Amino acid sequence: RKEVEQDPGPFNVPEGATVAFNCTYSNSASQSFFWYRQDCRKEPKLLMSVYSSGNEDGRFTAQLNRASQYISLLIRDSKLSDSATYLCVVNLFGQAGTALIFGKGTTLSVSS
Amino acid sequence: DVKVTQSSRYLVKRTGEKVFLECVQDMDHENMFWYRQDPGLGLRLIYFSYDVKMKEKGDIPEGYSVSREKKERFSLILESASTNQTSMYLCASSPGTAYQETQYFGPGTRLLVL
Repeated sequence: RKEVEQDPGPFNVPEGATVAFNCTYSNSASQSFFWYRQDCRKEPKLLMSVYSSGNEDGRFTAQLNRASQYISLLIRDSKLSDSATYLCVVNLFGQAGTALIFGKGTTLSVSS
Repeated sequence: DVKVTQSSRYLVKRTGEKVFLECVQDMDHENMFWYRQDPGLGLRLIYFSYDVKMKEKGDIPEGYSVSREKKERFSLILESASTNQTSMYLCASSPGTAYQETQYFGPGTRLLVL
């Protein structure tokens, strides 16, 4: 079973749309969760951490469901500049070096 | 702002050459990482280091070695480059404290092995 799984997409949406991505993880002991954004031919950058209570940053909302072992990212009022690949990332505390496990990413394309 | 720099953005090497990829971070981070990223395979961890002179194998260490002589610098070495090592190489660092696991990435090096 893959450790972190995401639907690769692509998700093609018009400007202003609401879009949601899900991600499942296999290790129930995972402790930290993140969404990273990666633009074409660029490095991944942290978009937001995902907290147990859920968190919101402007148009972006992240949710964690520990019982079902999935993480979600909701983007409201999509902008052209949101077009990117979104990486789901988990970390298992206790592993030396605190290595993160990356999903393969979900590609979003927002069109006008 | 955290800054992670990599020595080259693009590199072309021949099969059998020894290749050095350098990474430097300026935020006194404890942990440093080397990944490679390939289409359809995502980010794969090659090696990481949580202290000077310490290293740990990641998921795909074969064909690679690393060196961390100073805290701010983490080098990836391809002892004898092969065509299947053509890839995007990404270096990252993280503070190393228990509740700050965010990794900061360098801009990447696109390596082509002919």
